[in-house]
Amino acid sequence: RKEVEQDPGPFNVPEGATVAFNCTYSNSASQSFFWYRQDCRKEPKLLMSVYSSGNEDGRFTAQLNRASQYISLLIRDSKLSDSATYLCVARVGSARQLTFGSGTQLTVLP
Amino acid sequence: EPEVTQTPSHQVTQMGQEVILRCVPISNHLYFYWYRQILGQKVEFLVSFYNNEISEKSEIFDDQFSVERPDGSNFTLKIRSTKLEDSAMYFCASSEGTGLSTIYFGEGSWLTVV
Repeated sequence: RKEVEQDPGPFNVPEGATVAFNCTYSNSASQSFFWYRQDCRKEPKLLMSVYSSGNEDGRFTAQLNRASQYISLLIRDSKLSDSATYLCVARVGSARQLTFGSGTQLTVLP
Repeated sequence: EPEVTQTPSHQVTQMGQEVILRCVPISNHLYFYWYRQILGQKVEFLVSFYNNEISEKSEIFDDQFSVERPDGSNFTLKIRSTKLEDSAMYFCASSEGTGLSTIYFGEGSWLTVV
């Protein structure tokens, strides 16, 4: 079983749409969670950390459900510039390494 | 904004040759990492480095790989005898701490082994 599993995508949505990505993690010792975005052939860039109480950053909302080992990312009013691959990322306990999901590709269409 | 810089951006090497990928982490960061991403696949952890020693490594990071911090600014990844399957994008990264500390990635070094 994959440690971090994401919706396979791709998601093709019109500008202005709301889109949600889901992610599950298998290691219950995972303690820190993040969403990164990666543009084609570029480095991953942190989009937002995910806190237990859920958190929002502008048009982006992240939720964490530890009981279900489930993380989500909601993008409202999507822009063309949101087109990228979104990576769900977990860190186990005090370990330094990040475990990445395979990513979900989003294309926002004009 | 401070950034992690990597050189070279792209290297083509023959199978069996040694390769050194270089990185300059963000100056006040204490934790350094190497990750790789084979084309079309997910980002995979290779190794973390703290206080001048390896703190964690993955199964991928076998005896063919080594890391070094030769001076106060550079952090290098050496692949001793490259194989075709080492072809990938190699990302260097650094962070101030662990836990929720943000890990910043460099733009990557694309290695092609022929």
